[in-house]
Amino acid sequence: EVQLLEFGGGLIQPGGSLRLSCAASGFTFSNYAMTWVRQAPGKGLEWVSSISDSGSRTYYADFVKGRFTISRDNSKDTLYLQMDSLRAEDSATYFCAKDGDNWNFPNTAFDPWGQGTLVTVSS
Amino acid sequence: DIQMTQSPSTLSASIGDRVTITCRASHIITGWLAWYQQKPGKAPKLLIYEVSNLQSGVPSRFSGSGSGTEFTLTISSLQPDDFATYYCQQYNGYSRTFGQGTKVEIK
Repeated sequence: EVQLLEFGGGLIQPGGSLRLSCAASGFTFSNYAMTWVRQAPGKGLEWVSSISDSGSRTYYADFVKGRFTISRDNSKDTLYLQMDSLRAEDSATYFCAKDGDNWNFPNTAFDPWGQGTLVTVSS
Repeated sequence: DIQMTQSPSTLSASIGDRVTITCRASHIITGWLAWYQQKPGKAPKLLIYEVSNLQSGVPSRFSGSGSGTEFTLTISSLQPDDFATYYCQQYNGYSRTFGQGTKVEIK
């Protein structure tokens, strides 16, 4: 069974940094692109960032470009999201999701998703 | 970026009703369209991909259709487990975008 487990969320002051992790199991992690999606409290879903299977290609939504960095460690089956210069509007639950393989990325839906980790940016 | 607009934002329905949710894209997305279901406090769950393909394990009362810029999700006979928020998503390129969601409530 594919499982994704996010951790690393918490309360952080504006301007601060936080690193989220997503531990994957149940599939060959290094064969799949991975993605982060966020959801502010009571709001809809926003794609944040994606990374190719090897980690050589990364993609970001405009609202995080230059502040967030996606990366992965295929030896540890783990995806990361380094979040710097955090703002109040970055407060959200951050989900990681399994994306496509090398043949069909990015033309793939996200499945499955982790349970999410909550990030709150507040002084 | 391709914008996705769902309607309605909220839908009140009864058990057994046929329910239809519409999603419009700002540009043609050539079939790269998915639907997700999300319940409060839970992660989204993939229901349909590539417009009309049912994800494994999803009940057959769910169906998807459409082309170009207009797409629909239909629940043929609403069940108690179906009260949730539904999102469409386009994945026609690296910048994947979601609709704003449709909440299906009990009438």
